[in-house]
Amino acid sequence: QVLLQESGPGLVKPSETLSLTCSVSGYSIPSGFYWGWVRQPPGKGLEWIGSVYHLGNTFHNPSLQSRVTISVDTSRNVFSLKLNSVTAADTAVYYCARVAGSTTGPIDVWGQGTMVVVSS
Amino acid sequence: EIVLTQSPGTLALSPGERATLSCRASQSVNSDFLAWYQQNPGQAPRLLIYGASTRATGIPDRFSGSGSGTDFTLTISRLQPEDFAVYYCQQYGSSPGTFGQGTKVEI
Repeated sequence: QVLLQESGPGLVKPSETLSLTCSVSGYSIPSGFYWGWVRQPPGKGLEWIGSVYHLGNTFHNPSLQSRVTISVDTSRNVFSLKLNSVTAADTAVYYCARVAGSTTGPIDVWGQGTMVVVSS
Repeated sequence: EIVLTQSPGTLALSPGERATLSCRASQSVNSDFLAWYQQNPGQAPRLLIYGASTRATGIPDRFSGSGSGTDFTLTISRLQPEDFAVYYCQQYGSSPGTFGQGTKVEI
């Protein structure tokens, strides 16, 4: 069974960098697939952030592209998200995910999600 | 980017009834790369349908997807109590992969 688990601070100050890591168990990242991030502001819908392949190829949502860095560490079987210059609008539940088809979907395995609040 | 519009926003039905959810794209979805997800409160979404009409592993056959191009439909043939949730469509044929705003199926 493939399991994904997000970790990272639940509170980030405005203008600082949000950093999250997704630990993958039950599957070796180098075996394939893209690995991505999706977020959901409170009470709202889903927004695709970006994804990374085990070789390091990345794809980002253009609306966030200049602020987003997604990377992979195959030795630890984890991948990570960094979002800089955060504002209150970045407050959301952040999900890590396995992307089963193309670079952006479908998403067949989801982490449980982690709430990140941007506030001073 | 492709904008997905789901309708209706809320669907009020009873157990045993049929639910029909719509997802309309602002432009044609490449290769019918359209997925449907179910989300219950406080939980992560769950993949139901991909490729517009293929059920994901373990999804009951009361869930079916259809459509192509710009118009897609998710049908739940006989609603079970656990089916009352929010449903999202996602196109993944063009980057960025975009989601619809969701349809809430409520009792």
